[in-house]
Amino acid sequence: AQKITQTQPGMFVQEKEAVTLDCTYDTSDQSYGLFWYKQPSSGEMIFLIYQGSYDEQNATEGRYSLNFQKARKSANLVISASQLGDSAMYFCAMRPNTGGFKTIFGAGTRLFVKA
Amino acid sequence: EAQVTQNPRYLITVTGKKLTVTCSQNMNHEYMSWYRQDPGLGLRQIYYSMNVEVTDKGDVPEGYKVSRKEKRNFPLILESPSPNQTSLYFCASRRLITGELFFGEGSRLTVL
Repeated sequence: AQKITQTQPGMFVQEKEAVTLDCTYDTSDQSYGLFWYKQPSSGEMIFLIYQGSYDEQNATEGRYSLNFQKARKSANLVISASQLGDSAMYFCAMRPNTGGFKTIFGAGTRLFVKA
Repeated sequence: EAQVTQNPRYLITVTGKKLTVTCSQNMNHEYMSWYRQDPGLGLRQIYYSMNVEVTDKGDVPEGYKVSRKEKRNFPLILESPSPNQTSLYFCASRRLITGELFFGEGSRLTVL
């Protein structure tokens, strides 16, 4: 079954520190995409970062990086130098190549950044 | 500006009263989809459409209908809403190559 697992319902991090949000995925596809989205308290969904399954280097976008470990089927999000505005819900998602072109989401991790 | 627009943003209705949530995108994306978000469950796909007149069920299609008569529009129809359809709904369109989703602002629906 194709699935995304986020095992951390909530996390705290001190402002200016780095934090890692965990994500594991399950698929038998060889080609797939992995994503992270941010949902602030205002409710909108914001795309953060994308990693293709054939990409050899970890994706980076500003303070966000995706720690992609294909053999372990993990796609952790690393936020460096946390800011108060990073407090939000974060969703890991996968776009497999089979199964109807759906994007599958994890349950999310709520991040709290402390001043 | 590239955007996905959905309306209404907030709606309170009663059981059995048909309603439609509209969704429109201006990015010429072929793929569009609807999700519902419930606490602890993340986002679950209701229906998706790969192009005009092509729609298919997602993971939780019961109680919903969709149509795709034009590329830009993908309305979600609740023929006879029930309280278990109280949720936050998102429409999204998808970039072709990477699969990145562009979301609407969400529609919070309450069914009494």
